Amino acid sequence: AAGVIQSPRHLIKEKRETATLKCYPIPRHDTVYWYQQGPGQDPQFLISFYEKMQSDKGSIPDRFSAQQFSDYHSELNMSSLELGDSALYFCASSPRQGAESQETQYFGPGTRLLVL
Amino acid sequence: QKEVEQDPGPLSVPEGAIVSLNCTYSNSAFQYFMWYRQYSRKGPELLMYTYSSGNKEDGRFTAQVDKSSKYISLFIRDSQPSDSATYLCAVTSGNTGKLIFGQGTTLQVKP
Repeated sequence: AAGVIQSPRHLIKEKRETATLKCYPIPRHDTVYWYQQGPGQDPQFLISFYEKMQSDKGSIPDRFSAQQFSDYHSELNMSSLELGDSALYFCASSPRQGAESQETQYFGPGTRLLVL
Repeated sequence: QKEVEQDPGPLSVPEGAIVSLNCTYSNSAFQYFMWYRQYSRKGPELLMYTYSSGNKEDGRFTAQVDKSSKYISLFIRDSQPSDSATYLCAVTSGNTGKLIFGQGTTLQVKP
């Protein structure tokens, strides 16, 4: 079965640089969520989109922005990177309609970001 | 105080043991309860999903939710070395689907 695709899988950046993370949801899933997981931490919700509109916002810094496109893929843009932004960034997708509940989120493999 | 509390462990058991993993939560608005398994450097994998109180069984895994005490559990029967991973409980109110995770319990099943 198709899974959530994230790219790149690994990314190394310098402080104050920018980064763009991409997420391709499972086919027919129209809701995308972004989470940040620091070392030894649980995933923290950043932001979510439903039908290309932002549906919820969590502890996402103002330096970060995200959007969902017409093909339902999503991009997380991170600017003025800081050392503390080093983490695993996960994207998850879920269907809003159909047999599965919207609360069933399937996670991608993550993008490991290292800021030097 | 975190909205979802989970003992981080680590928890070490012999192969074949019954494993009990638990979480408590504080907000009665949470209606949906999940258990995810996460192997090192991998994305969380959905194991079990339960709506409201009750039990749900899937093979060797049983999830229990007691909303009156705000307590959720995952039981693993006949544990295997391949079950060694971090287990994360997660809750959501269902309005937007935002998941709130527990800290995760690291489980090691020894052959």
